Amino acid sequence: GEDVEQSLFLSVREGDSSVINCTYTDSSSTYLYWYKQEPGAGLQLLTYIFSNMDMKQDQRLTVLLNKKDKHLSLRIADTQTGDSAIYFCAESEGNSGGYQKVTFGTGTKLQVIP
Amino acid sequence: GAVVSQHPSRVICKSGTSVKIECRSLDFQATTMFWYRQFPKKSLMLMATSNEGSKATYEQGVEKDKFLINHASLTLSTLTVTSAHPEDSSFYICSAPRLGRGNNEQFFGPGTRLTVL
Repeated sequence: GEDVEQSLFLSVREGDSSVINCTYTDSSSTYLYWYKQEPGAGLQLLTYIFSNMDMKQDQRLTVLLNKKDKHLSLRIADTQTGDSAIYFCAESEGNSGGYQKVTFGTGTKLQVIP
Repeated sequence: GAVVSQHPSRVICKSGTSVKIECRSLDFQATTMFWYRQFPKKSLMLMATSNEGSKATYEQGVEKDKFLINHASLTLSTLTVTSAHPEDSSFYICSAPRLGRGNNEQFFGPGTRLTVL
């Protein structure tokens, strides 16, 4: 089955950049996502990228995709204390008329030190 | 953005009782909703896909008689944990993709924390 792996923990100083990495195994992944989960809350979609893209930038967020290595990363520029949360990488095979299952990674807990 | 609500946000129940969790899409219709379970410090595990007007599709290893799903309308899906046991204690999250938007954005509910004593 599909497998999505992430490191469990990342600690950065406020103002620095954070880079959260993810690897996946499903070569037919079409969509790759980054979600944010704050303590005790549901998930918030931060951004997503199609598998035919290498990069996507959205304000402080930059997503890089290396499809050959099946590696996805999320860079948060100028990390703030409010960015402290768990970040989930996820993938799906896309939509062929129906909604496809989304497989989530294990989550990376980002701790921002003031 | 679209909003998905869940009720209750927290529930504590005795072993052997049944608990119903509601998932509502507040400002859009959802023919499909997904139910996830999240263990502490673990990822989300998809339990089942709830389909309006038809039976839910369960993932391998998920007992359909234990976790009853009813997609009663285009804005409501319910998950009933029957005869709950302490090992059912978990954080249950639902999500709904908005119609016409494919799979590229699912909206997640805030989750329901179930504690079974």
